[in-house]
Amino acid sequence: ETGVTQTPRHLVMGMTNKKSLKCEQHLGHNAMYWYKQSAKKPLELMFVYSLEERVENNSVPSRFSPECPNSSHLFLHLHTLQPEDSALYLCASSQEEQVYLNEQFFGPGTRLTVL
Amino acid sequence: AQKITQTQPGMFVQEKEAVTLDCTYDTSDQSYGLFWYKQPSSGEMIFLIYQGSYDEQNATEGRYSLNFQKARKSANLVISASQLGDSAMYFCAMREAQGAGGTSYGKLTFGQGTILTVHP
Repeated sequence: ETGVTQTPRHLVMGMTNKKSLKCEQHLGHNAMYWYKQSAKKPLELMFVYSLEERVENNSVPSRFSPECPNSSHLFLHLHTLQPEDSALYLCASSQEEQVYLNEQFFGPGTRLTVL
Repeated sequence: AQKITQTQPGMFVQEKEAVTLDCTYDTSDQSYGLFWYKQPSSGEMIFLIYQGSYDEQNATEGRYSLNFQKARKSANLVISASQLGDSAMYFCAMREAQGAGGTSYGKLTFGQGTILTVHP
């Protein structure tokens, strides 16, 4: 596997379910990100992990819970979601040594539908 | 105020012609980075090109070039010789350095995107 992978690619869940999204980066990067992309809205940064420490939580509801067990893996645990949480969830990684020069590499995303 | 503004919700271009996608930004930082990403219908965000605020020359990557006008705070993407495979959503983004607790990372802020359609 190369780059940034995400599983599952598609997920349909009820409002009472608990599920997790997984992201894995094979690039040796030290920072990982979760973004939410809703229809007709810009990408919204949800969480940032730098050196496995959460450095940003953009006022995300507690029904979204991130976990970064090591520098290669990032999870987003979901519970009691709402239909408005249906969106494309994108994971990204970057090497944070030269902040301005390093682009973020994105995974293919998980398309989530909450019924 | 929006930090990244893309005023063209949709653009159309004939195959083999050039097209310019507009992007303006707002920041009080002296040091920042500007990025363009392409998002096909599959959903993956593909990095295209980068421009640093201190770079004096416009960035180029193959058929992509970035028309950077710092005083006007614009960073337009120019795609030359358009191909059918260029049809996608294009996002402009900006990074401003932020540090917390000794760590450093660059927060990426995206515009709303422009849908480009290339006609044969």
